[in-house]
Amino acid sequence: QQPVQSPQAVILREGEDAVINCSSSKALYSVHWYRQKHGEAPVFLMILLKGGEQKGHEKISASFNEKKQQSSLYLTASQLSYSGTYFCGTAEGSNYKLTFGKGTLLTVNP
Amino acid sequence: KAGVTQTPRYLIKTRGQQVTLSCSPISGHRSVSWYQQTPGQGLQFLFEYFSETQRNKGNFPGRFSGRQFSNSRSEMNVSTLELGDSALYLCASSAGTSGGRTDTQYFGPGTRLTVL
Repeated sequence: QQPVQSPQAVILREGEDAVINCSSSKALYSVHWYRQKHGEAPVFLMILLKGGEQKGHEKISASFNEKKQQSSLYLTASQLSYSGTYFCGTAEGSNYKLTFGKGTLLTVNP
Repeated sequence: KAGVTQTPRYLIKTRGQQVTLSCSPISGHRSVSWYQQTPGQGLQFLFEYFSETQRNKGNFPGRFSGRQFSNSRSEMNVSTLELGDSALYLCASSAGTSGGRTDTQYFGPGTRLTVL
């Protein structure tokens, strides 16, 4: 079952902040965040693991609420380069697959 | 290191035909996952391979199959193509043994399949 992302789309001006949310009805082992620019492959941003470990880019901030099976990606002081579609992917402990949400389209305008 | 490569990049087929897509992972990566990306459904998991073994399969019909070779290169095959199979097919490789569970996935540029 796909995780649910919100909002579906957001428009910002440079310098503004945004939060993208991801929630699942299943018990999660990890949450992954990727960004995809138009016509390009998804690029890894961050992994948040059950138990609190995080792996990812220093400039990216995210949280994982294990009790609620929810994760949030925090984009602060947005830049034009932040524009793209953000996907969260969720993994359960019992398998090796990543199930992605439908994505959040972020547009940063000058 | 070279990134994940996928061939061909673009493919046009007609209904009923079959197609084979290829993915070469980053050197040293043994896990390869395949995804179908469409505007309406986003990224949907097809299957994951590790050391030539399929460890997980997504909810796709049996027309979708794959395999992985001893050098970690992977192929996926779609038989009896349908119009709805038109999509971007992405493969991703990862360095560890956990596949999508805990490992960073590095995506290739994808193969754009159009079924007429």
